[in-house]
Amino acid sequence: DAGVTQSPTHLIKTRGQQVTLRCSPKSGHDTVSWYQQALGQGPQFIFQYYEEEERQRGNFPDRFSGHQFPNYSSELNVNALLLGDSALYLCASSFESLGTFGSGTRLTVV
Amino acid sequence: DAKTTQPPSMDCAEGRAANLPCNHSTISGNEYVYWYRQIHSQGPQYIIHGLKNNETNEMASLIITEDRKSSTLILPHATLRDTAVYYCIVREYGNKLVFGAGTILRVKS
Repeated sequence: DAGVTQSPTHLIKTRGQQVTLRCSPKSGHDTVSWYQQALGQGPQFIFQYYEEEERQRGNFPDRFSGHQFPNYSSELNVNALLLGDSALYLCASSFESLGTFGSGTRLTVV
Repeated sequence: DAKTTQPPSMDCAEGRAANLPCNHSTISGNEYVYWYRQIHSQGPQYIIHGLKNNETNEMASLIITEDRKSSTLILPHATLRDTAVYYCIVREYGNKLVFGAGTILRVKS
């Protein structure tokens, strides 16, 4: 049984560019949450998607947006990248609360 | 902001029990205590959760004080593979996870 799959695993982008990260949830899970983890810190909640709608949002600017598809997979988009957006981006899927995390996408902005 | 306080780091000898404390003095009645761990360069892994009663599963035991203001995660026989950052989180059912800095547990041979 495949767990949460994220792609790509690593990515390097230039300041000002846009990036799209992808997440396939664990089978049977209908809710997807995204987290940003800077080096040496705990993950910070970005937003959560359920039934293709954003259900909760953390303290992140509008440059961060997302989407959930009918098959429950999800994308995280970040526009106008800043150096400070360099981090590990984690996707977690869940069904009735208990979540499973993917291994993340390491984004480096140069 | 995270509603929990954990020591920044702990050491444990291999084969011994690792007891990781967590303070959550402002926990409300409908909030659960969750524990996750994160091994270097991987996503957080769920360990255990509880509301009021002590809980045990194949990975660990969770002891919650009667007033629910603190808890302890117990790894009964720590191995080198248990070296990780351990996060204690309080959350309402279905709500987002709010991570603090966690406790770095180093298991040493």
